[in-house]
Amino acid sequence: ILNVEQSPQSLHVQEGDSTNFTCSFPSSNFYALHWYRWETAKSPEALFVMTLNGDEKKKGRISATLNTKEGYSYLYIKGSQPEDSATYLCAPKGPGKLIFGQGTELSVKP
Amino acid sequence: KAGVTQTPRYLIKTRGQQVTLSCSPISGHRSVSWYQQTPGQGLQFLFEYFSETQRNKGNFPGRFSGRQFSNSRSEMNVSTLELGDSALYLCASSPSGGADTQYFGPGTRLTVL
Repeated sequence: ILNVEQSPQSLHVQEGDSTNFTCSFPSSNFYALHWYRWETAKSPEALFVMTLNGDEKKKGRISATLNTKEGYSYLYIKGSQPEDSATYLCAPKGPGKLIFGQGTELSVKP
Repeated sequence: KAGVTQTPRYLIKTRGQQVTLSCSPISGHRSVSWYQQTPGQGLQFLFEYFSETQRNKGNFPGRFSGRQFSNSRSEMNVSTLELGDSALYLCASSPSGGADTQYFGPGTRLTVL
């Protein structure tokens, strides 16, 4: 069973601040790591799928890194905007399924 | 391409009843996964179907079942509903599962009274 931990649980920042979140997971039986953004009243939206140790992905102001040996991934948002307010979920893929963390709830104030 | 659709969007049932939820995946996607989200819990994996076969299953009681049709549409059934089954049920489709990106539907909000 994979235990996935995300920190912090919630984050309140001002517009323009840069921020980062952590996803920790057991490094054994690792297959891939997914990041999703889930805005209220919408469907979770895929951000990245990362598979290789040392992987770095970028999408606009959002980027992510992956360390499979030590079992963690970081998600960075540069210059947060109010539209970035959402819950950010990580989900390592273990044998046969995605195991979602509880998420980091980000609130960006204008 | 049309996204993942789920019906109904909202449902109210009483304890002991059974319910069927439907999920239509993105055209060409053969893998459909179901998740449950309850207050305070993350997304909990229920099961995955691929080519009409259940390929993986989460830790849920046998009251939760599903199936997939030849057109990849999937249904999830919950029998003998309990209050604790009140949740948002999401389905997600991907081309073949594995490390593929999963695309989520809007969910069905089930309330059990």
